[in-house]
Order: sequence, then structure tokens, then C-alpha cells
Amino acid sequence: AQSVAQPEDQVNVAEGNPLTVKCTYSVSGNPYLFWYVQYPNRGLQFLLKYITGDNLVKGSYGFEAEFNKSQTSFHLKKPSALVSDSALYFCAVRDIPGQAGTALIFGKGTTLSVSS
Amino acid sequence: GAVVSQHPSRVICKSGTSVKIECRSLDFQATTMFWYRQFPKQSLMLMATSNEGSKATYEQGVEKDKFLINHASLTLSTLTVTSAHPEDSSFYICSARGQSSYNEQFFGPGTRLTVL
Repeated sequence: AQSVAQPEDQVNVAEGNPLTVKCTYSVSGNPYLFWYVQYPNRGLQFLLKYITGDNLVKGSYGFEAEFNKSQTSFHLKKPSALVSDSALYFCAVRDIPGQAGTALIFGKGTTLSVSS
Repeated sequence: GAVVSQHPSRVICKSGTSVKIECRSLDFQATTMFWYRQFPKQSLMLMATSNEGSKATYEQGVEKDKFLINHASLTLSTLTVTSAHPEDSSFYICSARGQSSYNEQFFGPGTRLTVL
């Protein structure tokens, strides 16, 4: 069975500093990994995904994530945080690529708080 | 990316009534649709997966007679919460994936259900 772990409930960072939101995963095959952001009372916004290829994936709003197969991790990073980045971040994984019926499974979420 | 809409965005109902939530894929054909439930500041929990023209597959612990899912066309899925009770109050999010969107799962904006 596939699973995702986000070990931090909350990450606090000062504006302008780099940020990292951690994610580890467990799948039986090759993982498809995603990051989403959610603002209060809103739906999910897609940030980036890893399917195959380069381990460093660049996404929306200056975010990037690095796929590390040996550590089964897919940490989200940004070189310089903005106050507007404050939100709830979800890591998600999908196993069995190619099977349309397989849903994304989400981590519990990490609240990012960027102070000015 | 592709657009998924949900209606209504917010609904308040009395205990014992039934509520229907619609999920539409606006610019692609959704072979598979997923329904998630999210409690405040918590993760998205997969409720069920539905393929067009087939019965939905429910996750363990989800009452299929209480949460009726219909996926009658390639652009519409509905979730009906029958005989709703206050504990059913939650944020319901649908998601859709099409054959041409091999790895993408697009999310609706969510529906906030409050049962009084």
C-alpha cells in the first residue's frame, strides 16, 4: 500500500529565508509524487510533480522539490520565503502509474508560516 | 491545467435531509473521478473512486448507503449525502482524471457542508 508522511505539523520561517517542507513516501513500485498548496477555505492548487527524469523538479511560485530515491523523500523547497507563501502544504503520492483508477494519497499536511 | 468545478460551494442543511454535490470536468472527459473529505486543518481522506458508467469503489470505513456516488457521464459526478447529521459536516473535494491526462488529477474548489 502507498503512504505519505509529512513529519512536521508546522514550519516557521522568516521572510527572505529559505524554507523546506519535508515529505517521505512508501510505494510498492515507482512513485508519482506531487505537492499541492491550500489556502483557507479554498481548494488545492498544484505546485509541482515528479514523474521521471531529473530529480530536481521546479514548479509554480518559485518552489522546487528534490526526489531522493534512496531516502524515499520528496522535500519541498524555496530559496527565499514570502509572507504570501503561508498556507497548508500537502505532499501526495500515486502508485501504479497508468492505472487511471488509482487515486492520489495525501500526507497529513504541513502548515507553513512565514513571518515578516 | 484542466478545470474542475463543484456546486454548491457552500451548503447548510438541517439534520436528516439529503444534500447533493455536483462535480464537473469543464474542458476534458473525466474517465475517473474521486471524492475526498477534509476535516479542518487535516488531510484529504479518499472516500471513493468512480469510473464512468460503473459503480463507485468505496474506501474502507465509508458507508456507501450514506454517501451515494453517481458518475453517469464523462463530465459529471455527484455525491449525495443522505440523511445528513452534524458529524457529516466537512469539506468535500472532488477530483477528476481523464485518459488524456495520464498522470494528472485535477481538483475542484471544494464544497463546505454544514449540517445543523
